[in-house]
Amino acid sequence: GEDVEQSLFLSVREGDSSVINCTYTDSSSTYLYWYKQEPGAGLQLLTYIFSNMDMKQDQRLTVLLNKKDKHLSLRIADTQTGDSAIYFCAESTSGTYKYIFGTGTRLKVLA
Amino acid sequence: GAVVSQHPSRVICKSGTSVKIECRSLDFQATTMFWYRQFPKKSLMLMATSNEGSKATYEQGVEKDKFLINHASLTLSTLTVTSAHPEDSSFYICSARGGGPGAYNEQFFGPGTRLTVL
Repeated sequence: GEDVEQSLFLSVREGDSSVINCTYTDSSSTYLYWYKQEPGAGLQLLTYIFSNMDMKQDQRLTVLLNKKDKHLSLRIADTQTGDSAIYFCAESTSGTYKYIFGTGTRLKVLA
Repeated sequence: GAVVSQHPSRVICKSGTSVKIECRSLDFQATTMFWYRQFPKKSLMLMATSNEGSKATYEQGVEKDKFLINHASLTLSTLTVTSAHPEDSSFYICSARGGGPGAYNEQFFGPGTRLTVL
């Protein structure tokens, strides 16, 4: 079945850039998403990218998609302590509406 | 727009009792709602997909008699954990799609319900 993998932890210093990586196996993925989850809370959509795009930038967030390698990354510029959270990538295929979530990356920002 | 609420946010119950969790789309009509379960420090696992007015579709390994899902209207879905046991303790998150802004496939997530079974 489909599988989405992420590294479990990332620690960066405040002001540095963070890069969170994600790999997926489903070649028919149509949409890829990045969600943020703060402790005890639900998921907040940060950004998404269509599979026919290579890059998407939204303020401090940059998403890069390498469809050939099935690799997705999220870059957070000028990382702040408020960015500390768990970040999930997810993929879905048009018509199924099901999301497959990655394992989540816990980002810790050091002051 | 596109707000999804869940109630209750936290529930503690005794083993053997049943617990109902509500998921509501507040400002849009949700043709499809999803129920996820999240174990501590783990990812979200899709439990079931429900479409308004029809039976839910459960993922493999999810007991449909244990986790009853009702999607009676376009703004409300409920998950009932029947005869709950400590191993059912988890964070349950619902999501909804249909009618809101954003990507065609976008799901909007509720804040989650923390269930603790003693």
